[in-house]
Amino acid sequence: DIQMTQSPSSLSASVGDRVTITCRASQSISGYLSWYQQKPGKAPNLLIYGTSSLQSGVPSRFSGGESGTDFTLTIRSLEPEDFATYYCLQTYSKPFTFGPGTTVEFK
Amino acid sequence: QVQLVESGGGVVQPGRSLRLSCAASGFTFSSYAMHWVRQAPGKGLEWVSIISNDGDIKDSADSVRGRVTISRDTSKSTLYLQMNSLRSEDTAVYYCVRDGRPGYTNSRDGLDVWGQGTTVTVSS
Repeated sequence: DIQMTQSPSSLSASVGDRVTITCRASQSISGYLSWYQQKPGKAPNLLIYGTSSLQSGVPSRFSGGESGTDFTLTIRSLEPEDFATYYCLQTYSKPFTFGPGTTVEFK
Repeated sequence: QVQLVESGGGVVQPGRSLRLSCAASGFTFSSYAMHWVRQAPGKGLEWVSIISNDGDIKDSADSVRGRVTISRDTSKSTLYLQMNSLRSEDTAVYYCVRDGRPGYTNSRDGLDVWGQGTTVTVSS
């Protein structure tokens, strides 16, 4: 099975900050990587798919990138509504696997 | 609008069974693979199971394989998850989720539509 790790597990930031979260796959996943935002008590919401494609309706301050088996989610300028937990997911090989999550907290 | 509504959750004793349902609306259900994803209290997301749009391909996570059966009824636009031999570690919110690309079970398009979730509590 493909293992997904995320770093950091949590971070503190302020409105306007640039934030980057990294997800690493245990083997090549050929870009089959998506990112999700989840707020407490709510279902997750798809932000990025195919490593770098922005889901319809998602603000352009969110972006995705890749370097080998490392994938990044960047929030260009943090807004108050962005404080949440973020997960990556690989859909290259079954069983599909999520990263453990990164919580973005208010500094 | 595109919508997924889960039902069937509840409190069940260890070793018993439960069937979750997910009613889909607002899109052509028969065109999309569907997933179940769960989240234990205070924990992260865990992918549980997938079924292809035509029902021919199914797969599940190691943690539930042999104890769960995913199925779908196109005539009712409904997805199911039959869960047997339930354990305390199956306690979670279970989400019904649509695959992002019609006709695929391994797509780059992510999981684009999520239900609100149904809570399963396994406890004596």
